[in-house]
Amino acid sequence: DQQVKQNSPSLSVQEGRISILNCDYTNSMFDYFLWYKKYPAEGPTFLISISSIKDKNEDGRFTVFLNKSAKHLSLHIVPSQPGDSAVYFCAAADSGYSTLTFGKGTMLLVSP
Amino acid sequence: DGGITQSPKYLFRKEGQNVTLSCEQNLNHDAMYWYRQDPGQGLRLIYYSQIVNDFQKGDIAEGYSVSREKKESFPLTVTSAQKNPTAFYLCASSNYGELFFGEGSRLTVL
Repeated sequence: DQQVKQNSPSLSVQEGRISILNCDYTNSMFDYFLWYKKYPAEGPTFLISISSIKDKNEDGRFTVFLNKSAKHLSLHIVPSQPGDSAVYFCAAADSGYSTLTFGKGTMLLVSP
Repeated sequence: DGGITQSPKYLFRKEGQNVTLSCEQNLNHDAMYWYRQDPGQGLRLIYYSQIVNDFQKGDIAEGYSVSREKKESFPLTVTSAQKNPTAFYLCASSNYGELFFGEGSRLTVL
């Protein structure tokens, strides 16, 4: 049973436009959420995180929004760049933080 | 240079052979993790360790074994009991913030 779901396997966006990647979770004990970016044959790299006491966190072109009542979070990339083309994983942890639970990922393609 | 080093990057194994993947970190992190990535499956947790000489099974531990004799090292053995070992294996460490990942090891069973 997937506790973290990324329902869009892929997303195509034009350079300069906004990319919105979505993530839903089912476990109400999750209170810390992270986004990772992964290129082929490389390890994921951390992008941005948000704790459940916030509903928004911004870092440069990346903003994560959290809607706790809907158990939904989203990553916004503005403006999108071709170098952003990668697989993006959503991950979640509970307050005990023993492990992270990952979604299946969304492949983002930003075309020039 | 602080980071996580996985080796080998590519590994081929014959069916029935055990193989050990190395993971070393110099970030002074307490926790270390092994994940497996398969196409369309995301990252699935195999084993994790929060302290030396202790480790816990993740979601897909069957056919794998680990040890944590030193804080810096968390090797993963893929045994012959693992039915579908061909995959991309990722090691990570953390101090309970974000995970830092290694570059991965791709294992192919011939």
